[in-house]
Amino acid sequence: GESVGLHLPTLSVQEGDNSIINCAYSNSASDYFIWYKQESGKGPQFIIDIRSNMDKRQGQRVTVLLNKTVKHLSLQIAATQPGDSAVYFCAEKLAGGTSYGKLTFGQGTILTVHP
Amino acid sequence: GAGVSQSPRYKVTKRGQDVALRCDPISGHVSLYWYRQALGQGPEFLTYFNYEAQQDKSGLPNDRFSAERPEGSISTLTIQRTEQRDSAMYRCASSPLESDEQYFGPGTRLTVT
Repeated sequence: GESVGLHLPTLSVQEGDNSIINCAYSNSASDYFIWYKQESGKGPQFIIDIRSNMDKRQGQRVTVLLNKTVKHLSLQIAATQPGDSAVYFCAEKLAGGTSYGKLTFGQGTILTVHP
Repeated sequence: GAGVSQSPRYKVTKRGQDVALRCDPISGHVSLYWYRQALGQGPEFLTYFNYEAQQDKSGLPNDRFSAERPEGSISTLTIQRTEQRDSAMYRCASSPLESDEQYFGPGTRLTVT
């Protein structure tokens, strides 16, 4: 299958641990942020999103935190499972204008979960 | 239901040849996006359409790259006079009209020899 992440940050955890993946975004005008999961050989898959008027949003086993002051985004995965092993990307999007549809992806992080 | 499909999944071409990559979005999705993903990096925006109208082509690297979506459904990304630096995974995504969540296809792996 496809191999991504030859030079990406890596995080290795044991099954059942909580994982925290961090991302620094670039544009202070971005108002929407998304976390994507990419498994080997597949396209990115949406996990969770957050708008700039929020600082925390929770989903099933996942939580996204947004710190606009330092332009930092994090993804917390509770009780990490082997199936969570993948490359995780954050992405940002501007509020409007002609580039409304454009997602700008950050550097990915390889998460490896050991049974 | 069926997701975004792309064809071919793999394309090997010689430098200087033209290639056409196809994307078939999720039925009913009016927004369609093209990205390029180099190994070890996140997808890089190329262009996007709402219906048949190209809204933003700011990410196309140069005039050898073009995209069309004539009937507002299937889209074709064309690369003319391919160069080795064009080798990458080309990904298509679709969404309801400018919806925030974009659904990605499996990609076309292009190798220019």
